[in-house]
Amino acid sequence: GAVVSQHPSRVICKSGTSVKIECRSLDFQATTMFWYRQFPKQSLMLMATSNEGSKATYEQGVEKDKFLINHASLTLSTLTVTSAHPEDSSFYICSASSIQGLYEQYFGPGTRLTVT
Amino acid sequence: SQQGEEDPQALSIQEGENATMNCSYKTSINNLQWYRQNSGRGLVHLILIRSNEREKHSGRLRVTLDTSKKSSSLLITASRAADTASYFCAMPIQGAQKLVFGQGTRLTINP
Repeated sequence: GAVVSQHPSRVICKSGTSVKIECRSLDFQATTMFWYRQFPKQSLMLMATSNEGSKATYEQGVEKDKFLINHASLTLSTLTVTSAHPEDSSFYICSASSIQGLYEQYFGPGTRLTVT
Repeated sequence: SQQGEEDPQALSIQEGENATMNCSYKTSINNLQWYRQNSGRGLVHLILIRSNEREKHSGRLRVTLDTSKKSSSLLITASRAADTASYFCAMPIQGAQKLVFGQGTRLTINP
């Protein structure tokens, strides 16, 4: 089956620093990748949709200058949390889909970000 | 919004019993999907049911869809301790790939 990985799985950073999270599709070409955020005991909230080679589309209320998304290749998308603050601490999950997979989404294992 | 609403929010049952979770949504959908999430982990796709289907089975899972009531249910039969997880319904926003998730049901199976 389709495999999506995320790196790192956990990261702790100091307030004011930037953190980059990678999302990779390991065995298929992902034309579209999605980034979600999940607070404890809550559901997933879509942050943005990115298509390879074009700018990401952000959901309402998500700051594009704070959450930088790059989808430079068909197997890699990155989410950079800039000038992180404690309120950015969350579980970030990516998913990937492809035309060949009839747009079924395959989810990564998530990244736990803690900002101190 | 299109977000699905699930009930119950939490469910605790004994091993071997059946667990039923419900999801309601607001607008027309092409399909509805169910996912499982173990604590602190990513999502596992369980089953997809299309709008023209009423029931679908996969192992111990049974999913129903009632488009007239805009609701779906997930039944897990003969539950096991390993079924302890959060379960989410999700549906694509019409005309788009992106998914909107329900609030989830936290299922605990007691041995």
